[in-house]
Amino acid sequence: LAKTTQPISMDSYEGQEVNITCSHNNIATNDYITWYQQFPSQGPRFIIQGYKTKVTNEVASLFIPADRKSSTLSLPRVSLSDTAVYYCLVGGDGNKLVFGAGTILRVKS
Amino acid sequence: ETGVTQTPRHLVMGMTNKKSLKCEQHLGHNAMYWYKQSAKKPLELMFVYSLEERVENNSVPSRFSPECPNSSHLFLHLHTLQPEDSALYLCASSQYKTPNTEAFFGQGTRLTVV
Repeated sequence: LAKTTQPISMDSYEGQEVNITCSHNNIATNDYITWYQQFPSQGPRFIIQGYKTKVTNEVASLFIPADRKSSTLSLPRVSLSDTAVYYCLVGGDGNKLVFGAGTILRVKS
Repeated sequence: ETGVTQTPRHLVMGMTNKKSLKCEQHLGHNAMYWYKQSAKKPLELMFVYSLEERVENNSVPSRFSPECPNSSHLFLHLHTLQPEDSALYLCASSQYKTPNTEAFFGQGTRLTVV
């Protein structure tokens, strides 16, 4: 499984765009990049997944450069309710869903 | 509501008790997972079942015993637990052996061992 590195924590203010970058230098050819969000005392929730270039859904955008050794989760106009832990996972066939420490995002008013 | 249901939501048990956690999904997934999350720590993958066969056991103590009777149900049998086993236990399901796996998690069982 590819190892991922994310910032431990980030602070932002309501209405700002937040970008969280994840490094995954040894990503394999068949690996996808998936981001999850977790609120305290709840299970993680799938946010977005991509393989290359850019993916956008109603919640976030995911930017993946051509070499795929990193990815950036972009949350537009965050609110207080976006305060959570964000996990970047990289895996492919037989994904064992191994979570790292994640990034604690704190949104302030 | 994620489609994955865990019961009970809260459980307090003594170190000599035997209890079971239950997880149920009707999403048609063929893989189910147990995770442990202690306070302010990352999720620890405990067990993975694919098509009702255990495919992963991450050095979990034998006082935790999983059971997967069918693809929709997963149990975690607990006995002779220690206070350090107090944690949030999460169940998840997904489609195994597919590259773009999205997992669905239950709300978890908050376990307190006294």
